[in-house]
Amino acid sequence: EVQLVQSGAEVKKPGESLKISCKGSGYSFTSYWIGWVRQMPGKGLEWMGIIYPGDSDTRYSPSFQGQVTISADKSISTAYLQWSSLKASDTAMYYCARRGEQWPGGAFDIWGQGTMVTVSS
Amino acid sequence: DIQLTQSPSFLSASVGDRVTITCRASQGISSYLAWYQQKPGKAPKLLIYAASTLQSGVPSRFSGSGSGTEFTLTISSLQPEDFATYYCQQLNRVTFGQGTKLEIK
Repeated sequence: EVQLVQSGAEVKKPGESLKISCKGSGYSFTSYWIGWVRQMPGKGLEWMGIIYPGDSDTRYSPSFQGQVTISADKSISTAYLQWSSLKASDTAMYYCARRGEQWPGGAFDIWGQGTMVTVSS
Repeated sequence: DIQLTQSPSFLSASVGDRVTITCRASQGISSYLAWYQQKPGKAPKLLIYAASTLQSGVPSRFSGSGSGTEFTLTISSLQPEDFATYYCQQLNRVTFGQGTKLEIK
Protein backbone atom coordinates (compact mmCIF):
# COMPACT_ATOMS: atom_id res chain seq x y z
CA GLU A 1 0.00 0.00 0.00
CA VAL A 2 1.28 3.43 -0.95
CA GLN A 3 1.19 5.68 2.08
CA LEU A 4 2.71 8.60 3.90
CA VAL A 5 2.83 8.37 7.69
CA GLN A 6 3.51 11.53 9.66
CA SER A 7 4.93 11.94 13.13
CA GLY A 8 2.65 12.60 16.08
CA ALA A 9 1.18 15.76 17.52
CA GLU A 10 3.53 18.26 19.15
CA VAL A 11 3.06 20.86 21.88
CA LYS A 12 5.83 23.43 22.05
CA LYS A 13 6.62 26.81 23.58
CA PRO A 14 7.37 29.94 21.56
CA GLY A 15 11.02 30.11 20.60
CA GLU A 16 11.54 26.35 20.64
CA SER A 17 12.68 24.38 17.62
CA LEU A 18 10.81 21.51 16.01
CA LYS A 19 11.23 18.97 13.24
CA ILE A 20 8.28 16.87 12.07
CA SER A 21 8.50 13.93 9.70
CA CYS A 22 6.71 12.21 6.85
CA LYS A 23 7.69 8.63 5.98
CA GLY A 24 6.80 7.17 2.62
CA SER A 25 6.27 3.51 1.87
CA GLY A 26 4.96 1.29 -0.89
CA TYR A 27 6.57 3.26 -3.70
CA SER A 28 9.93 4.61 -4.88
CA PHE A 29 10.36 7.49 -2.42
CA THR A 30 13.17 9.09 -4.42
CA SER A 31 11.10 9.37 -7.59
CA TYR A 32 8.28 11.64 -6.42
CA TRP A 33 8.15 15.17 -5.07
CA ILE A 34 6.85 15.57 -1.50
CA GLY A 35 5.05 18.78 -0.57
CA TRP A 36 4.01 20.35 2.73
CA VAL A 37 0.70 22.11 3.38
CA ARG A 38 -0.38 24.18 6.38
CA GLN A 39 -3.93 24.40 7.66
CA MET A 40 -4.49 26.82 10.50
CA PRO A 41 -7.45 26.12 12.77
CA GLY A 42 -10.70 26.63 10.88
CA LYS A 43 -8.90 27.90 7.80
CA GLY A 44 -8.01 26.75 4.30
CA LEU A 45 -5.02 24.97 2.80
CA GLU A 46 -1.76 26.86 2.29
CA TRP A 47 1.08 25.64 0.13
CA MET A 48 4.45 25.75 1.94
CA GLY A 49 6.98 24.08 -0.32
CA ILE A 50 8.17 20.90 -1.95
CA ILE A 51 11.22 18.65 -2.12
CA TYR A 52 12.45 16.01 -4.52
CA PRO A 53 14.06 13.36 -2.29
CA GLY A 54 16.12 11.97 -5.16
CA ASP A 55 18.40 15.01 -5.22
CA SER A 56 16.95 17.22 -2.42
CA ASP A 57 15.91 19.93 -4.89
CA THR A 58 13.67 22.16 -2.75
CA ARG A 59 11.26 24.96 -3.62
CA TYR A 60 9.44 27.22 -1.17
CA SER A 61 6.30 29.28 -1.39
CA PRO A 62 7.30 32.96 -1.04
CA SER A 63 5.09 33.11 2.07
CA PHE A 64 7.18 30.46 3.84
CA GLN A 65 10.67 31.09 2.45
CA GLY A 66 12.99 31.68 5.39
CA GLN A 67 10.34 30.64 7.91
CA VAL A 68 10.75 26.87 7.66
CA THR A 69 13.22 24.33 6.28
CA ILE A 70 12.21 21.34 4.20
CA SER A 71 14.60 18.40 3.94
CA ALA A 72 14.65 14.69 3.21
CA ASP A 73 16.65 11.59 4.09
CA LYS A 74 16.24 9.22 1.19
CA SER A 75 18.00 6.41 3.04
CA ILE A 76 14.98 6.14 5.35
CA SER A 77 12.33 7.44 2.90
CA THR A 78 11.48 10.37 5.14
CA ALA A 79 10.82 14.04 4.49
CA TYR A 80 10.99 16.70 7.17
CA LEU A 81 9.61 20.12 8.00
CA GLN A 82 11.43 22.11 10.63
CA TRP A 83 11.35 25.38 12.51
CA SER A 84 14.24 26.98 14.34
CA SER A 85 12.11 29.28 16.49
CA LEU A 86 8.39 28.61 16.74
CA LYS A 87 5.75 31.30 17.10
CA ALA A 88 2.20 31.03 18.36
CA SER A 89 1.07 31.71 14.79
CA ASP A 90 2.69 28.40 13.72
CA THR A 91 -0.12 26.57 15.51
CA ALA A 92 -1.71 24.50 12.75
CA MET A 93 -2.18 21.10 11.19
CA TYR A 94 0.62 20.25 8.76
CA TYR A 95 0.17 17.76 5.95
CA CYS A 96 2.70 16.16 3.65
CA ALA A 97 1.56 14.99 0.23
CA ARG A 98 3.09 13.14 -2.71
CA ARG A 99 3.03 14.79 -6.10
CA GLY A 100 1.93 12.13 -8.55
CA GLU A 101 2.69 11.56 -12.20
CA GLN A 102 -0.62 12.75 -13.59
CA TRP A 103 -0.27 14.80 -16.75
CA PRO A 104 -0.37 17.70 -16.91
CA GLY A 105 0.72 19.14 -13.61
CA GLY A 106 1.09 16.21 -11.27
CA ALA A 107 -1.59 16.47 -8.62
CA PHE A 108 -1.10 15.50 -4.99
CA ASP A 109 -2.47 12.00 -4.88
CA ILE A 110 -1.27 10.59 -1.56
CA TRP A 111 -1.55 12.55 1.70
CA GLY A 112 -0.24 11.94 5.18
CA GLN A 113 -2.66 11.92 8.09
CA GLY A 114 -1.42 15.30 9.32
CA THR A 115 0.63 16.48 12.29
CA MET A 116 -0.93 18.96 14.70
CA VAL A 117 1.54 21.49 16.04
CA THR A 118 0.46 23.62 18.99
CA VAL A 119 2.66 26.50 20.11
CA SER A 120 1.67 28.02 23.42
CA SER A 121 3.35 29.51 26.44
CA ASP B 1 1.77 34.75 -7.95
CA ILE B 2 -1.26 33.18 -9.54
CA GLN B 3 -4.35 33.65 -7.41
CA LEU B 4 -7.27 31.24 -7.38
CA THR B 5 -10.73 32.49 -6.42
CA GLN B 6 -13.47 29.98 -5.67
CA SER B 7 -17.15 30.76 -5.71
CA PRO B 8 -19.25 30.44 -3.77
CA SER B 9 -17.39 30.23 -0.46
CA PHE B 10 -20.41 28.56 1.13
CA LEU B 11 -23.07 26.46 -0.52
CA SER B 12 -26.18 24.98 1.02
CA ALA B 13 -27.81 22.11 -0.89
CA SER B 14 -29.93 19.01 -0.47
CA VAL B 15 -29.28 15.34 -1.16
CA GLY B 16 -29.92 14.71 -4.83
CA ASP B 17 -29.16 18.28 -5.94
CA ARG B 18 -26.75 19.13 -8.73
CA VAL B 19 -24.13 21.61 -7.59
CA THR B 20 -21.35 23.50 -9.33
CA ILE B 21 -18.32 25.19 -7.80
CA THR B 22 -16.24 27.63 -9.83
CA CYS B 23 -12.53 28.34 -9.60
CA ARG B 24 -11.06 31.33 -11.43
CA ALA B 25 -7.33 31.85 -11.94
CA SER B 26 -5.77 35.31 -12.11
CA GLN B 27 -3.89 34.24 -15.22
CA GLY B 28 -4.03 31.31 -17.60
CA ILE B 29 -2.95 27.94 -16.23
CA SER B 30 -3.93 25.71 -19.16
CA SER B 31 -5.27 22.49 -17.54
CA TYR B 32 -2.91 22.56 -14.56
CA LEU B 33 -5.74 22.32 -12.04
CA ALA B 34 -6.83 19.79 -9.45
CA TRP B 35 -9.80 19.52 -7.11
CA TYR B 36 -9.74 18.11 -3.59
CA GLN B 37 -12.36 17.17 -1.01
CA GLN B 38 -11.70 17.59 2.68
CA LYS B 39 -13.89 16.32 5.49
CA PRO B 40 -13.52 17.58 9.07
CA GLY B 41 -10.50 16.13 10.81
CA LYS B 42 -9.26 14.39 7.66
CA ALA B 43 -6.58 14.99 5.07
CA PRO B 44 -7.63 16.30 1.66
CA LYS B 45 -8.50 13.73 -0.99
CA LEU B 46 -7.73 14.14 -4.68
CA LEU B 47 -10.89 14.09 -6.81
CA ILE B 48 -9.89 15.47 -10.20
CA TYR B 49 -6.60 16.32 -11.91
CA ALA B 50 -5.71 17.93 -15.22
CA ALA B 51 -8.93 19.94 -14.80
CA SER B 52 -11.24 17.14 -15.94
CA THR B 53 -9.73 13.68 -15.26
CA LEU B 54 -11.36 11.71 -12.48
CA GLN B 55 -8.92 10.19 -10.00
CA SER B 56 -9.19 6.43 -9.69
CA GLY B 57 -11.87 5.35 -7.25
CA VAL B 58 -13.74 8.65 -7.25
CA PRO B 59 -17.47 8.30 -8.03
CA SER B 60 -18.56 9.35 -11.49
CA ARG B 61 -21.05 11.89 -10.10
CA PHE B 62 -18.01 14.16 -9.75
CA SER B 63 -16.82 15.92 -12.89
CA GLY B 64 -14.52 18.79 -13.75
CA SER B 65 -14.23 21.09 -16.72
CA GLY B 66 -12.46 24.19 -17.95
CA SER B 67 -9.08 25.43 -19.05
CA GLY B 68 -7.18 28.68 -19.02
CA THR B 69 -8.68 30.80 -16.26
CA GLU B 70 -12.11 29.33 -15.49
CA PHE B 71 -12.82 25.90 -14.09
CA THR B 72 -15.79 24.11 -12.57
CA LEU B 73 -16.36 21.13 -10.31
CA THR B 74 -19.82 19.60 -10.63
CA ILE B 75 -21.49 17.01 -8.43
CA SER B 76 -24.39 15.63 -10.43
CA SER B 77 -26.48 14.23 -7.57
CA LEU B 78 -25.36 15.04 -4.05
CA GLN B 79 -24.95 12.16 -1.66
CA PRO B 80 -24.79 12.49 2.16
CA GLU B 81 -21.05 11.74 2.12
CA ASP B 82 -20.36 14.65 -0.27
CA PHE B 83 -20.94 17.35 2.33
CA ALA B 84 -17.43 18.64 2.85
CA THR B 85 -15.09 21.46 1.87
CA TYR B 86 -13.74 21.55 -1.68
CA TYR B 87 -10.51 23.17 -2.82
CA CYS B 88 -9.07 23.86 -6.24
CA GLN B 89 -5.30 23.88 -6.67
CA GLN B 90 -3.23 25.19 -9.53
CA LEU B 91 -0.20 23.06 -10.29
CA ASN B 92 1.93 25.51 -12.25
CA ARG B 93 3.14 27.56 -9.30
CA VAL B 94 1.31 25.64 -6.62
CA THR B 95 -1.45 27.51 -4.79
CA PHE B 96 -4.90 26.65 -3.45
CA GLY B 97 -8.23 28.37 -3.73
CA GLN B 98 -9.79 29.54 -0.48
CA GLY B 99 -12.24 26.64 -0.35
CA THR B 100 -15.98 26.08 -0.74
CA LYS B 101 -17.87 24.62 2.19
CA LEU B 102 -20.80 22.51 1.04
CA GLU B 103 -23.43 22.15 3.74
CA ILE B 104 -26.69 20.28 4.02
CA LYS B 105 -29.77 22.46 3.53
